[in-house]
Amino acid sequence: KAGVTQTPRYLIKTRGQQVTLSCSPISGHRSVSWYQQTPGQGLQFLFEYFSETQRNKGNFPGRFSGRQFSNSRSEMNVSTLELGDSALYLCASSSGTGTRNTGELFFGEGSRLTVL
Amino acid sequence: AQSVTQLDSHVSVSEGTPVLLRCNYSSSYSPSLFWYVQHPNKGLQLLLKYTSAATLVKGINGFEAEFKKSETSFHLTKPSAHMSDAAEYFCVVTGLGGTSYGKLTFGQGTILTVHP
Repeated sequence: KAGVTQTPRYLIKTRGQQVTLSCSPISGHRSVSWYQQTPGQGLQFLFEYFSETQRNKGNFPGRFSGRQFSNSRSEMNVSTLELGDSALYLCASSSGTGTRNTGELFFGEGSRLTVL
Repeated sequence: AQSVTQLDSHVSVSEGTPVLLRCNYSSSYSPSLFWYVQHPNKGLQLLLKYTSAATLVKGINGFEAEFKKSETSFHLTKPSAHMSDAAEYFCVVTGLGGTSYGKLTFGQGTILTVHP
């Protein structure tokens, strides 16, 4: 069974540009979550999508957005990039069903964004 | 709100010696706790989870953790370190209900170094 796939793995942008990152979840998983990982702030939750609907959102500005498609693939977008957006962006998938967060997420290897 | 504190940012051991990575949690209810591991330039992988069944939890690769409510601790241990255990380890807690979907709250991480 293929794991979570993130593309691109590495990218370099300049301040003010925008970026779109893609995530393909494990087959059959309907929940996709996004995390930002930086040396200073650690791992922080961005948002979660399930069946094309955002169910949960972290404390990030509106420049960070996402969406999920009918095949469960997800994209996140960051507009008007700032230097502080340089980070490893991790996508994770799970079945997402049930009323309780099981905490069992399957992570991709991440997209490393550098903003110059 | 729930949180976790990892008491050591770095731990260094020799191959074949025991490993102890410390984690304390704070939660207003009985939490679900996890340990995740991240090898260099890789995504995160679930090591083990505690969800109120047995207090001693066994995970992959010989790791285990014990939930101690009286001490609000969930320390990770392994009897004998292997070179391949060198990685960063995260103690994680989840919330309850719909507001927790996809959201893991991570500790700041402990980098484990294993010397030959």
